[in-house]
Amino acid sequence: GEDVEQSLFLSVREGDSSVINCTYTDSSSTYLYWYKQEPGAGLQLLTYIFSNMDMKQDQRLTVLLNKKDKHLSLRIADTQTGDSAIYFCAEKKGGSYIPTFGRGTSLIVHP
Amino acid sequence: DVKVTQSSRYLVKRTGEKVFLECVQDMDHENMFWYRQDPGLGLRLIYFSYDVKMKEKGDIPEGYSVSREKKERFSLILESASTNQTSMYLCASRPSGTSGNEQFFGPGTRLTVL
Repeated sequence: GEDVEQSLFLSVREGDSSVINCTYTDSSSTYLYWYKQEPGAGLQLLTYIFSNMDMKQDQRLTVLLNKKDKHLSLRIADTQTGDSAIYFCAEKKGGSYIPTFGRGTSLIVHP
Repeated sequence: DVKVTQSSRYLVKRTGEKVFLECVQDMDHENMFWYRQDPGLGLRLIYFSYDVKMKEKGDIPEGYSVSREKKERFSLILESASTNQTSMYLCASRPSGTSGNEQFFGPGTRLTVL
């Protein structure tokens, strides 16, 4: 199976909360990232969490980590049309140069 | 402001042509990466370089080569382009070491091979 799994699509109404989920297989993952890719652009880091943390909040973004289930989620509060993008989950082990990316979740925000 | 630039946003080439994709970063980063991005497949690592003149194969190196003669520049070469290499190509860089430093991505080059 894949190392990092995400659903491919999520559709939400403007103003609602969005929750994008990710599961990973490697329990030795040390760093977990969320990247955002807007149409026609490269990826930009949104936020990250260390594996010894359970939660991280940054303005409208909340990252939750369940280490037991190897499950990571990104919650976007008050989702706006500008949040429409592809969101990539990634994990990296402490001794590696290279993160492993999921396939990306396309978030569609409609009025 | 950190910057990773790629030589072209859009490129159209013919089957069999030799294609060069250039990536330049201005952050003095040691590590540089080339990915291709295809719908439903996410990012797949082609090659990475952890320092000047050093390179390592990624997950899908077949049909590609790379060159890193200077720290700021990492080139991806398609020796003989084929239609199955039509894709979005993304370059990224990050500082050295295996800590959690994020990758910084360029805007991408959308390559079409006819």
